[in-house]
Amino acid sequence: AAGVIQSPRHLIKEKRETATLKCYPIPRHDTVYWYQQGPGQDPQFLISFYEKMQSDKGSIPDRFSAQQFSDYHSELNMSSLELGDSALYFCASSLGPADEKLFFGSGTQLSVL
Amino acid sequence: ELKVEQNPLFLSMQEGKNYTIYCNYSTTSDRLYWYRQDPGKSLESLFVLLSNGAVKQEGRLMASLDTKARLSTLHITAAVHDLSATYFCAVANPNSGGYQKVTFGTGTKLQVIP
Repeated sequence: AAGVIQSPRHLIKEKRETATLKCYPIPRHDTVYWYQQGPGQDPQFLISFYEKMQSDKGSIPDRFSAQQFSDYHSELNMSSLELGDSALYFCASSLGPADEKLFFGSGTQLSVL
Repeated sequence: ELKVEQNPLFLSMQEGKNYTIYCNYSTTSDRLYWYRQDPGKSLESLFVLLSNGAVKQEGRLMASLDTKARLSTLHITAAVHDLSATYFCAVANPNSGGYQKVTFGTGTKLQVIP
């Protein structure tokens, strides 16, 4: 069965650079969520989209922005990268915001040097 | 603000033993999840608990939910090495427009020793 696909799998950037993370939800899933998990930390909710509109916002820095496109894929744009942005970034999708199941992608490991 | 706490944070147990992981949360919610995460890997959904008194079992794992006590438990029966992983509970934010804006617990790192 198709799963949530994230790219790239690994990304190395330097301070003050920009990064773009991509997420392709499971087909027919219209809701996408982004989570950030620092080393040894629990995942923290960043932002979510439902039907291409932002549906909720968590602890996402102003340096980050995200959007969901017409094909329901989503991109997380990160600018002026800081060392503290190094983390595993997960995307998850569901069939609507009230669906029981939340499916996570394999994540993008971002390292900021 | 919804807070989710798990204990213990670390658990080392021998194969064949039983143990329980606890998840407490601070505000009313009617949806709780348990996830498993292997090092450097994604989150694997284990259970979704939707109502007070809900109990679900899969293999050696059993999860339960007491919404009145705001407590969920994940019970491990006759642990095997393959269960070694970090286990997270996550609680749906009741004030969110969608049920999937969840707050994760701190995680319990389980090590099963042969």
